Amino acid sequence: KAGVTQTPRYLIKTRGQQVTLSCSPISGHRSVSWYQQTPGQGLQFLFEYFSETQRNKGNFPGRFSGRQFSNSRSEMNVSTLELGDSALYLCASSWDRASVQYFGPGTRLTVT
Amino acid sequence: AQSVSQHNHHVILSEAASLELGCNYSYGGTVNLFWYVQYPGQHLQLLLKYFSGDPLVKGIKGFEAEFIKSKFSFNLRKPSVQWSDTAEYFCAVNAGTGANNLFFGTGTRLTVIP
Repeated sequence: KAGVTQTPRYLIKTRGQQVTLSCSPISGHRSVSWYQQTPGQGLQFLFEYFSETQRNKGNFPGRFSGRQFSNSRSEMNVSTLELGDSALYLCASSWDRASVQYFGPGTRLTVT
Repeated sequence: AQSVSQHNHHVILSEAASLELGCNYSYGGTVNLFWYVQYPGQHLQLLLKYFSGDPLVKGIKGFEAEFIKSKFSFNLRKPSVQWSDTAEYFCAVNAGTGANNLFFGTGTRLTVIP
């Protein structure tokens, strides 16, 4: 089975722009979660989607949003980018909401 | 809110030494516990998990962890490390109620010297 895939792998954006990141879960997995990884804050939960509905949200501003499609693929969007949004954004998928999460390779976002 | 503490930030060991990495969490209810590993240049991989049952769980590559409920701990152990174990190790917790948000510790960087 193919693992979690994330596109693009690397991205450079300018402050004030917006960005959309994409995640394709493992086939058959219905839950997708997003995390931000930075050297200073470590791994922090952004949000979780299951059956196209956001089920949980971490402590991030409203500039961070996401959605899930009927095929379980997910996108996250960050609007009005700030320098502090530079991070590795990880997507994880799981069979359902109570099972192990498997992580993708991440998208490295650099905001200049 | 849940939180996870990993007390060791960087551990340096020689090959064949024994390893124990500490992990403590704060949450009063039922929890699911995980250890993930991130090898250099690779993505996070599951090392082992605890959902319920035997508190001593075995994972891949000879790793094991013990859940001690009274101490809110889930320490990772390996009797004899190898150079290939050099990686960053993350302890993670989520509420065992179906919520799928993981709380991670800050990670422990393990360097194994050949």
